[in-house]
Amino acid sequence: SQQGEEDPQALSIQEGENATMNCSYKTSINNLQWYRQNSGRGLVHLILIRSNEREKHSGRLRVTLDTSKKSSSLLITASRAADTASYFCAFGAGSYQLTFGKGTKLSVIP
Amino acid sequence: DAMVIQNPRYQVTQFGKPVTLSCSQTLNHNVMYWYQQKSSQAPKLLFHYYDKDFNNEADTPDNFQSRRPNTSFCFLDIRSPGLGDAAMYLCATSTNGENIQYFGAGTRLSVL
Repeated sequence: SQQGEEDPQALSIQEGENATMNCSYKTSINNLQWYRQNSGRGLVHLILIRSNEREKHSGRLRVTLDTSKKSSSLLITASRAADTASYFCAFGAGSYQLTFGKGTKLSVIP
Repeated sequence: DAMVIQNPRYQVTQFGKPVTLSCSQTLNHNVMYWYQQKSSQAPKLLFHYYDKDFNNEADTPDNFQSRRPNTSFCFLDIRSPGLGDAAMYLCATSTNGENIQYFGAGTRLSVL
């Protein structure tokens, strides 16, 4: 399966600033999802955007999807120290499998 | 609360000594997955069950086996762990639909 690419690999910001992470993929997809992983823990689903959607919001999260460029971005507004985690995009093209990107490690400094 | 539970959270085994990791779920999801995740890497799918149907990834080593005796439980058996098998092992579930996956907290395996 084709692994997604994420950038940046690591991001360090001050509390209150916005954080933007990007994901690119190579195949056609049904949807694209973002997950968060706190250090040493499992992944937690954050948000899903379907292939026919361009933007979606959930609380402080905003996700965009550009299927022509095969890319997505995750924006976290007004970041908090508790947002410190790794963020993974994941995409599925059918069946029951997801391909995960390499992740962005976000550090929010109080 | 419905959830995915992995036991143990930390497992230490010796080189070559078989080890079994367990996963249980109360979500009644029909799909269960096992992932291997090494430090600072993406989760790598080892295999998944759709109900009782087992689906192995092409590059999953034969050293890794799995059992799903019922809907709620799934086991990962590593027959002869090597030093390269030290990793976090994640269990996840999903159901029909958009394949949102629900993960357990993981088992961190150390091989001495």
